[in-house]
Amino acid sequence: KQEVTQIPAALSVPEGENLVLNCSFTDSAIYNLQWFRQDPGKGLTSLLLIQSSQREQTSGRLNASLDKSSGRSTLYIAASQPGDSATYLCAVHIWDMRFGAGTRLTVKP
Amino acid sequence: EAGVAQSPRYKIIEKRQSVAFWCNPISGHATLYWYQQILGQGPKLLIQFQNNGVVDDSQLPKDRFSAERLKGVDSTLKIQPAKLEDSAVYLCASSIGTDEKLFFGSGTQLSVL
Repeated sequence: KQEVTQIPAALSVPEGENLVLNCSFTDSAIYNLQWFRQDPGKGLTSLLLIQSSQREQTSGRLNASLDKSSGRSTLYIAASQPGDSATYLCAVHIWDMRFGAGTRLTVKP
Repeated sequence: EAGVAQSPRYKIIEKRQSVAFWCNPISGHATLYWYQQILGQGPKLLIQFQNNGVVDDSQLPKDRFSAERLKGVDSTLKIQPAKLEDSAVYLCASSIGTDEKLFFGSGTQLSVL
C-alpha cells in the first residue's frame, strides 16, 4: 500500500528565505507526482507535475525534484513571500492519486 | 476557461439524513474524481470516473455512498444515511486524462450533527 509522508507538518519562515518542503513515498513504481497548494477553505491548485521519467520541473520561483529510487520529492521555493502562505500537498499516482497530509507554510513579513 | 464547479458550498444535516453533491468538470475533461478531505488530512479518493465508467471505487463506502456520472459530464455524489464521521470537505477534480494535471473545485463542506 502506497504511503505518502510530508515533513515537516508546519513551517514558519521570514520573508525572503529560500525553503524546501519534503515528500516521501513507499512505492517507487509511480506514474507521476504532483505538488498542490491549498488555501484555507479552498480547493487545491496544481503547482507542478513531474512524470516518472522526469527528474525535475520548474515554474517561476518553484522547483520540484523527483528521485523515484529513494522515494523522495522536494519542492523548493525561492525568495519566499507572505502570499506563499498556504498548505502544500504532494500526491503520487500509481493506481490512484494518493496524497500526503501536507505542510502548512507561514511566511512572515 | 471555466474551472470545476461544485455545489452546494456548505451543507449542514443531521445524522441519518441524506445529502447530495454536484460537480461540473472542466469541458473536455474525461476523468472525474471525488475526494473526501477530513480536517488536517490529505484528500482521500472515493471514486474515479473515466467518461461515464467507474475506474476505481475501492475506497467508496458503498453501503451509504453512491456516485454517478451521467453522459460523461456532470456527476453527483450521494450519502444516505449520513454518519457523524462523514463530516468533511468533499472535493471534485477533473483532468484531461488519468496521467494529467488535476484541477479541483472549491469543495462542499459537510457538517453532520
